[in-house]
Amino acid sequence: SQTIHQWPATLVQPVGSPLSLECTVEGTSNPNLYWYRQAAGRGLQLLFYSVGIGQISSEVPQNLSASRPQDRQFILSSKKLLLSDSGFYLCAWTPGGGQPQHFGDGTRLSIL
Amino acid sequence: QKEVEQNSGPLSVPEGAIASLNCTYSDRGSQSFFWYRQYSGKSPELIMFIYSNGDKEDGRFTAQLNKASQYVSLLIRDSQPSDSATYLCAVNTGSARQLTFGSGTQLTVLP
Repeated sequence: SQTIHQWPATLVQPVGSPLSLECTVEGTSNPNLYWYRQAAGRGLQLLFYSVGIGQISSEVPQNLSASRPQDRQFILSSKKLLLSDSGFYLCAWTPGGGQPQHFGDGTRLSIL
Repeated sequence: QKEVEQNSGPLSVPEGAIASLNCTYSDRGSQSFFWYRQYSGKSPELIMFIYSNGDKEDGRFTAQLNKASQYVSLLIRDSQPSDSATYLCAVNTGSARQLTFGSGTQLTVLP
């Protein structure tokens, strides 16, 4: 069966520090991968998605970036975090073809 | 701007009652519709998906889709306190079948 892993579960970072969040999927190949952010009490905002290695599409312009160095690995990064980057970051995958997306456990990011 | 609208609630129902959650969407080209349940502090969990007009039942859950009215709903029969959560409606759009989410409806089932 397929599983998705995200880490770390929680992270506290100072303003201006770098960020790297990692997501990996097991048990499938060539998944579509997605990064979402959820602010407190709000819905999910799609940040990036990828349909293959090295292919990244950005939905919202901001100081975050994403990379997909391997088929089942998706990384969210920032060179300098802002206070507004606080939130709950979720990685999701789907085999494609309109099938449901499945989420990892998420990373709760607090910026001080 | 492709939008998905939900009543934010909170919606309260007594235990054993039917909870009805509603969602409208703006993109007529949308083809796949999903309901996720999110407990406080947790990630969303898929509970239902529907692709065709009509009803789809799975246990106590029924999803209803009306593409002409751009409307999708979720019924929860025999509601339990464990159903208390935020329910997110999501719609597939775009070439990579990205999901657009509503802001969620908070449901409380009172024992």
